[in-house]
Amino acid sequence: LAKTTQPISMDSYEGQEVNITCSHNNIATNDYITWYQQFPSQGPRFIIQGYKTKVTNEVASLFIPADRKSSTLSLPRVSLSDTAVYYCLVAPEGAGSYQLTFGKGTKLSVIP
Amino acid sequence: GAVVSQHPSWVICKSGTSVKIECRSLDFQATTMFWYRQFPKQSLMLMATSNEGSKATYEQGVEKDKFLINHASLTLSTLTVTSAHPEDSSFYICSGRTGSGNQPQHFGDGTRLSIL
Repeated sequence: LAKTTQPISMDSYEGQEVNITCSHNNIATNDYITWYQQFPSQGPRFIIQGYKTKVTNEVASLFIPADRKSSTLSLPRVSLSDTAVYYCLVAPEGAGSYQLTFGKGTKLSVIP
Repeated sequence: GAVVSQHPSWVICKSGTSVKIECRSLDFQATTMFWYRQFPKQSLMLMATSNEGSKATYEQGVEKDKFLINHASLTLSTLTVTSAHPEDSSFYICSGRTGSGNQPQHFGDGTRLSIL
C-alpha cells in the first residue's frame, strides 16, 4: 500500500478556502485517492475520491496532477464546523478486501 | 445513503467481562467489513478484515482469540472483546464496503469501550 504524507496541522480563518496537500510518491497504477474527515469520538466520514485530474462534489474538490504523486483536497469557505482531522488514503480499487491504511492525518483548526 | 450503524456507542464494564459490538450496514450490502481501533490522539489502526461468510483476517499483533469477529450476513458484523482488560479500553470503529465497482468504505460512529 502506498504511504501518504500530510501536514500534521493547519489553521484557517472562517470563510477562507483551505487546501490540504497529500504526498503519495509510490502510488500504483490501480490506486485511488480517498479523503476522509473525522470529528472527535466519531467514525471517519467519506469526503471525496478520485483517480486523476479533478473531482468535485457538494462539499469539496480534489485536484490530482498528471503524475498522481500528490493530491490536494480543497475546502471552499470553511466554517467552524469544518474543524476536524482529515485523512488522505491511497488504496487499490475493485473487488476484494480493499484495505485502508490510515496515516496521522491533518488536524484542521478553523478560527473565528 | 451508505449508512453504517454501530452499537453500543459507549460501554463501561468490569475487567474480565466480554463485550459484543455490533456493526450494521443499513442501506447497502457490505460484502467486506473492517474493524479498527483508535487510541486517544492517534490514527485508526486496522484490526481485522472480514468477508461475509468467511473467517476474518487479522492484522499482525491482533489476537484472534481475544477479538472474535463474526460476519454472518451482508448487513451485520460483530466484534466480541473476550475477557476484556483495562488495556483493551479504546475507541472501536467498524466500516463496510460493497464489493462492486468504485465504492469507498463507510464507517460507523464508533464504540467507546472503557474497562475498569
